[in-house]
Amino acid sequence: QKEVEQNSGPLSVPEGAIASLNCTYSDRVSQSFFWYRQYSGKSPELIMSIYSNGDKEDGRFTAQLNKASQYVSLLIRDSQPSDSATYLCAVNTNDYKLSFGAGTTVTVRA
Amino acid sequence: ETGVTQSPTHLIKTRGQQVTLRCSSQSGHNTVSWYQQALGQGPQFIFQYYREEENGRGNFPPRFSGLQFPNYSSELNVNALELDDSALYLCASSLESGRSDEQFFGPGTRLTVL
Repeated sequence: QKEVEQNSGPLSVPEGAIASLNCTYSDRVSQSFFWYRQYSGKSPELIMSIYSNGDKEDGRFTAQLNKASQYVSLLIRDSQPSDSATYLCAVNTNDYKLSFGAGTTVTVRA
Repeated sequence: ETGVTQSPTHLIKTRGQQVTLRCSSQSGHNTVSWYQQALGQGPQFIFQYYREEENGRGNFPPRFSGLQFPNYSSELNVNALELDDSALYLCASSLESGRSDEQFFGPGTRLTVL
């Protein structure tokens, strides 16, 4: 079983719609969860961090965490063409290591 | 921009050679982690350096080694290069080495092994 799994893409959404990205993790003791955005040919960019159950909103992004279900999600509201990228879910399972999912590629259609 | 810099940007080596990649952490950060990202995959943890000591290691062979210097910059060394070592190598800096610490990535070094 992989440590971090993301819903397989690619995900295509029309401009202005909501993009919904899902991530599950296997280690129950995980405490820190991150979403990174990676444009093609570039390095990952941190866009959200979440540490406690519930929702966390930052602009058009909302991260949701449910530790009982071992589930993290990212919602992108009012999707823009500039949101077209690969989104990586990362989980900190101990003091030093981030475990990443394979990523979900999002394409926003104009 | 994260303030994390890496050099070189691109590198081409042949099988069996050795390579050194460099990373300068963000100002005020004392922890550097290295990751390998193969095409179409998420980054894989190689190791982390905290205050000049190796603080943890992923599932990579000993020919992957590193250093951290007193100014917290870091090097990744790979000996006896193999074709499968072709990847994007990323360093990430963080304020401390803790579970909640956010890691910020540099632009990466693209290594091609022929």
